[in-house]
Amino acid sequence: SQKIEQNSEALNIQEGKTATLTCNYTNYSPAYLQWYRQDPGRGPVFLLLIRENEKEKRKERLKVTFDTTLKQSLFHITASQPADSATYLCALGAYNTDKLIFGTGTRLQVFP
Amino acid sequence: DTAVSQTPKYLVTQMGNDKSIKCEQNLGHDTMYWYKQDSKKFLKIMFSYNNKELIINETVPNRFSPKSPDKAHLNLHINSLELGDSAVYFCASSPRVGGYEQYFGPGTRLTVT
Repeated sequence: SQKIEQNSEALNIQEGKTATLTCNYTNYSPAYLQWYRQDPGRGPVFLLLIRENEKEKRKERLKVTFDTTLKQSLFHITASQPADSATYLCALGAYNTDKLIFGTGTRLQVFP
Repeated sequence: DTAVSQTPKYLVTQMGNDKSIKCEQNLGHDTMYWYKQDSKKFLKIMFSYNNKELIINETVPNRFSPKSPDKAHLNLHINSLELGDSAVYFCASSPRVGGYEQYFGPGTRLTVT
């Protein structure tokens, strides 16, 4: 069955450093991959979408890569700030189903 | 404000009761979804509607019945509530089918006692 793993349940980094979150998947060939941010008690908020024919996407301090050979996406936050502390979810989808399959999330904590 | 809204935000009820959660989006989107997030924070799709038509129906007990009276609304009715139904339920919308970003509501925390 399809499986999506995000590298660790929690990631602690110091302010100013680059946070790198990993999303690995098996038994699936997604057409696109999305990253969301979720704060406690709130719904997920869309951050970035990358399609299978794209290697990299950037938005301000965020960068996502998508390697369909390795079956992996990396999500980077450069110059991290305490306000970046949240849970980050990756989600994979296929055009024929329009169904997003979410990973279990990585809780990022950026400390001063 | 343009957004996806859900009511109620909290719902506490006893086993065996029937309850409904309402969702509305004013983003002009064609597609709406219901997700369930369990205690381990795992987010799973339940249903999806596109222009009032059901397009995704995951393996969900038939006690759960979605209803879309129009493109902007997607409600979730749950019959004979069970303890295992306790979770946070999120509504979401997307401009259209085909791999677009989704906009989530604030969630409804359902507690069944």
